[in-house]
Amino acid sequence: DAKTTQPTSMDCAEGRAANLPCNHSTISGNEYVYWYRQIHSQGPQYIIHGLKNNETNEMASLIITEDRKSSTLILPHATLRDTAVYYCIVRNYGGSQGNLIFGKGTKLSVKP
Amino acid sequence: NAGVTQTPKFQVLKTGQSMTLQCAQDMNHNSMYWYRQDPGMGLRLIYYSASEGTTDKGEVPNGYNVSRLNKREFSLRLESAAPSQTSVYFCASSERLGPNEQFFGPGTRLTVL
Repeated sequence: DAKTTQPTSMDCAEGRAANLPCNHSTISGNEYVYWYRQIHSQGPQYIIHGLKNNETNEMASLIITEDRKSSTLILPHATLRDTAVYYCIVRNYGGSQGNLIFGKGTKLSVKP
Repeated sequence: NAGVTQTPKFQVLKTGQSMTLQCAQDMNHNSMYWYRQDPGMGLRLIYYSASEGTTDKGEVPNGYNVSRLNKREFSLRLESAAPSQTSVYFCASSERLGPNEQFFGPGTRLTVL
């Protein structure tokens, strides 16, 4: 599986867009990009995933570069409740395993 | 829908004691997982079950055993607890293996003295 690189921490003002980058320069053609977040002491929460195209759902948007070597998770209007650790995960589902490999993630602090 | 439930929420064991962590899901999912999370670290997969009747090792299986009791339940057993197993344990489930989301339980906080 491709490794990912994320900044250790980021700050964002409440009401502004939070843009969380992720580098996955060794990603291969059949690997998906996933984003999860973990609010303090809770279980991780799925946010969004994509393969090639940009994706949007009620929580966030995922922008994947054309070469697929990096992506950005966008929370359009961050609130204090979005303060959490955000994990970018790249996973190949060509085999039989289904596990997600979590790194250390980015700690996003949304400030009033 | 309760989603994924885990019991107990907290547990303190002495070295050498055994215990079983319970996990259940009510979403009719085929696949279930056990992860552990150590302070300041991401999650690491212990075991997973692709479907009822199957289990496979993950990244850190040593010292653990699992049982997929039925489609709903997936338990994790520590036969002889060690201080290195002090961690937060999360259970998760998904419709199937593959590119779909995993739903996580609230976690069990285990301390081994």
